[in-house]
Amino acid sequence: DTAVSQTPKYLVTQMGNDKSIKCEQNLGHDTMYWYKQDSKKFLKIMFSYNNKELIINETVPNRFSPKSPDKAHLNLHINSLELGDSAVYFCASSRGSRSDTQYFGPGTRLTVL
Amino acid sequence: GDSVTQMEGPVTLSEEAFLTINCTYTATGYPSLFWYVQYPGEGLQLLLKATKADDKGSNKGFEATYRKETTSFHLEKGSVQVSDSAVYFCALRAEAAGNKLTFGGGTRVLVKP
Repeated sequence: DTAVSQTPKYLVTQMGNDKSIKCEQNLGHDTMYWYKQDSKKFLKIMFSYNNKELIINETVPNRFSPKSPDKAHLNLHINSLELGDSAVYFCASSRGSRSDTQYFGPGTRLTVL
Repeated sequence: GDSVTQMEGPVTLSEEAFLTINCTYTATGYPSLFWYVQYPGEGLQLLLKATKADDKGSNKGFEATYRKETTSFHLEKGSVQVSDSAVYFCALRAEAAGNKLTFGGGTRVLVKP
């Protein structure tokens, strides 16, 4: 009955690899987000999708590509991983793009060696 | 651009002590303000929110009042418990900036028995 779920919870990989993180929400929300939390706990938005359409794209390298196959899923694909990509990535969702409350997933800790 | 500044931690308290975490913001227009809490190893949970000036958000004994004149949203709790040990994030949502949340740097709170 998890509202926002992410897989995997932990991801350890080598520099240069390509990896994906999956996010699913069962709340019936229209809007989903990806946030990055660095080692100092600083949180910053990366992307937002509303009804499968990209509405927020912060200054993120092109190596990061979100994909939304349907309203309930927003996956994050990362190409050519770099050491600086090591962080915790949080998925979130909200009822709509103007909705106040965002619900967060448990996070995916990515470690790039 | 929008920004949120909150006091750096860690804040170490004894059980039943009074907790205050300061938060100030800079934003265009009239943002909504939030406090999120992150318990160890978990994702973020919405703790409370306020959507207009002088609103008071409250939940689980925590309170924060939206002060437009001082652009502040300080979090308070009168008597903390060990279970309140977590990282607390102040955040704002300015409609002019899409629906993204802009977070402060987080404040780690440790409550000792």
